[in-house]
Amino acid sequence: DAKTTQPPSMDCAEGRAANLPCNHSTISGNEYVYWYRQIHSQGPQYIIHGLKNNETNEMASLIITEDRKSSTLILPHATLRDTAVYYCIVSRRNAGNMLTFGGGTRLMVKP
Amino acid sequence: DAGVIQSPRHEVTEMGQEVTLRCKPISGHNSLFWYRQTMMRGLELLIYFNNNVPIDDSGMPEDRFSAKMPNASFSTLKIQPSEPRDSAVYFCASSRRTDGDGYTFGSGTRLTVV
Repeated sequence: DAKTTQPPSMDCAEGRAANLPCNHSTISGNEYVYWYRQIHSQGPQYIIHGLKNNETNEMASLIITEDRKSSTLILPHATLRDTAVYYCIVSRRNAGNMLTFGGGTRLMVKP
Repeated sequence: DAGVIQSPRHEVTEMGQEVTLRCKPISGHNSLFWYRQTMMRGLELLIYFNNNVPIDDSGMPEDRFSAKMPNASFSTLKIQPSEPRDSAVYFCASSRRTDGDGYTFGSGTRLTVV
């Protein structure tokens, strides 16, 4: 019953942009796309979220396709500290809706 | 703000013993979540509180698990009796119900039942 599909792992060279894809073809009109990451042994950390427009904050950019069936999280200049598991989640906002985590993408940033 | 505070950070206990995990959410956050993480099953939502009231406990694995939130600043997750298969990292997270900007997770409690 997965709502999102992500590649299990990706590599990225340090200093280069990391582009993490996510498919969410069954997303509903009132569901947002959320991204979290989990660095080894730590709790998940919120990164960014969006509905249909592209979003950018100090951590990352989120690009959502026009049909909203997929999105890409962009880390513009990946560092070794960005090595983590990245989770893409769809959920309704302002509803207290529970976040359901899938397997995520294990990003390895290499020197 | 000190963030979501969980205690203890590590707990080692013998099978059959009672285990109590504790969580202090961020002040002003009215939703609280308990998650469990294992290598095999990933991150699983156990129970969710809103304004101190349990809303959904469908993720609680069995009757040995119970959770309470006696006030807005404190929650416990109890396992009685504990079993080796309960060994996992337990995370607590909190959020403002009307805040769509995400949850804040604690650092977790690593539980080992021997």
